[in-house]
Amino acid sequence: DGGITQSPKYLFRKEGQNVTLSCEQNLNHDAMYWYRQDPGQGLRLIYYSQIVNDFQKGDIAEGYSVSREKKESFPLTVTSAQKNPTAFYLCASSIESGRVNTEAFFGQGTRLTVV
Amino acid sequence: KNEVEQSPQNLTAQEGEFITINCSYSVGISALHWLQQHPGGGIVSLFMLSSGKKKHGRLIATINIQEKHSSLHITASHPRDSAVYICAVRSRSGAESRGGSQGNLIFGKGTKLSVKP
Repeated sequence: DGGITQSPKYLFRKEGQNVTLSCEQNLNHDAMYWYRQDPGQGLRLIYYSQIVNDFQKGDIAEGYSVSREKKESFPLTVTSAQKNPTAFYLCASSIESGRVNTEAFFGQGTRLTVV
Repeated sequence: KNEVEQSPQNLTAQEGEFITINCSYSVGISALHWLQQHPGGGIVSLFMLSSGKKKHGRLIATINIQEKHSSLHITASHPRDSAVYICAVRSRSGAESRGGSQGNLIFGKGTKLSVKP
């Protein structure tokens, strides 16, 4: 059955190391998004992609990078430049960015802890 | 001031009680979403609405576009309803439209609901 898969669920890294979070969807959605969630705050947009080989910065892109080489995949790399990388990361997708009022589907999230 | 405000922040109820969670927003929107986040962190979309009222099982969502307000109601609450409920709006404004031409989702901080048996 269709959905969004994020892996791993929990991830531990040492400070200064880059780490890549996986997000895969088999919903045939064009648009994909990465959000960050911190305690007591709403989700904030890191990066989004409307179509393969295209992506745009969100509100808090500094210290992150993404790629969109395939429609199904939108990996997020947390680089050593990200000052406070410990957070909960959520990936989402929607059918296509050109249509208003489309439902967003979310993954189960990855909890990243940097020690 | 946040563009999307939810109340209450925390809510504890006894099993069987009728629950209301409120969401107010300050931007023009094309749609409003109610989401449910369980302790493990995964998020499930409950409703997407742009007018009126929707019902699914024991859950009811309403929206008043003129007043820029939405409510999520849970009838006959159950401990398995315990979760964080998040309101998110999709803004209409081009200036706010990061996240694709349909606009970015702007999220409230969530309401943590605990239903006691």
